[in-house]
Amino acid sequence: DAKTTQPTSMDCAEGRAANLPCNHSTISGNEYVYWYRQIHSQGPQYIIHGLKNNETNEMASLIITEDRKSSTLILPHATLRDTAVYYCIVRSSNTGKLIFGQGTTLQVKP
Amino acid sequence: SQTIHQWPATLVQPVGSPLSLECTVEGTSNPNLYWYRQAAGRGLQLLFYSVGIGQISSEVPQNLSASRPQDRQFILSSKKLLLSDSGFYLCAWSLTGVNTEAFFGQGTRLTVV
Repeated sequence: DAKTTQPTSMDCAEGRAANLPCNHSTISGNEYVYWYRQIHSQGPQYIIHGLKNNETNEMASLIITEDRKSSTLILPHATLRDTAVYYCIVRSSNTGKLIFGQGTTLQVKP
Repeated sequence: SQTIHQWPATLVQPVGSPLSLECTVEGTSNPNLYWYRQAAGRGLQLLFYSVGIGQISSEVPQNLSASRPQDRQFILSSKKLLLSDSGFYLCAWSLTGVNTEAFFGQGTRLTVV
């Protein structure tokens, strides 16, 4: 299973864009990049996923580099409610398992 | 629409007692099912996953077992709980394939005393 590397923590000012990086240099060609977030004491919430093209939905945008070795999750206008742990995951193409790393704790500040 | 139910929400059990946590999914057929555990201040650890009835894969050898007696029912069990079994247990489901998101239940917070 491909491993991901994320910064342990980040701060972002309310109303500004939050850019969360993720490295996944061992990703294989048919593995997807998934992003989830977890607010304290709740189950993880799906945000977005992609294979090679950039993706956008109502929550966020996902930018994947051309070599697919890294990606960035963008929250365009962060609010205080976006404070959470954000997990970048490479989903196994063989088993479909989601293996979580330690994630990035994003603190949105007023 | 699909929903996932997990219960109980909180549980306090003495060391050496048995455990049974149940998870059910509604609104879909033949889902992939997962059990995760999150120790205090830690990330999510995949414990078991299942691609069909009676098909269980264990990720980490430990004091727990899982069963899938019905298509949309996933049970996590232990015969004798240890203090180290304390944590936040999460059930999740997804459709088959890697281009489908997984949906998580609200979790059970287990404290072994």
